[in-house]
Amino acid sequence: EADIYQTPRYLVIGTGKKITLECSQTMGHDKMYWYQQDPGMELHLIHYSYGVNSTEKGDLSSESTVSRIRTEHFPLTLESARPSHTSQYLCASMAANYGYTFGSGTRLTVV
Amino acid sequence: GNSVTQMEGPVTLSEEAFLTINCTYTATGYPSLFWYVQYPGEGLQLLLKATKADDKGSNKGFEATYRKETTSFHLEKGSVQVSDSAVYFCALKQTTNDYKLSFGAGTTVTVRA
Repeated sequence: EADIYQTPRYLVIGTGKKITLECSQTMGHDKMYWYQQDPGMELHLIHYSYGVNSTEKGDLSSESTVSRIRTEHFPLTLESARPSHTSQYLCASMAANYGYTFGSGTRLTVV
Repeated sequence: GNSVTQMEGPVTLSEEAFLTINCTYTATGYPSLFWYVQYPGEGLQLLLKATKADDKGSNKGFEATYRKETTSFHLEKGSVQVSDSAVYFCALKQTTNDYKLSFGAGTTVTVRA
């Protein structure tokens, strides 16, 4: 019943490759977020967007970039992946006075 | 600024035991409070929420009461099952002009048969 979708679920990629993690939601939410999380550990906000053409950096500095060209789509890009980028990346969106709805996450491993 | 402090884990329990995970917060005004659960290999799912003082959120046998006087939102379940093994996150959202949740560090709960 998830209304927010992340692809791929798992990705193993070599150092130096460019990757894009996809996040799409069908709920029409303006507000979307990317978190980085080592499995079962704290969540760190790396990017957020409050609408089309609006993006901001989060609390944790990240070498990734994001774009928001359409309301439903909020992809995250790493231009040159490194082993330090190995982590789980969670996408979320927010309705007006409710909390977040999260996607299932992308588990990224850079070798 | 806003902050959420959770009881440190990991917590290990036997089936049918009583579970409490403490959560206290620092915020101005009257934030909304949430508990999220993360099962292994998954994203976070909203477990329950409360939007004003003395509200009780409940779901799947879990309960938490919004206590303004003690700035707390402790999670409880009377009889846990193995399937409750997960990481639990407490979170808050300011009510106005702030659209980011502040999360606690998470508490890992393992329930043994």
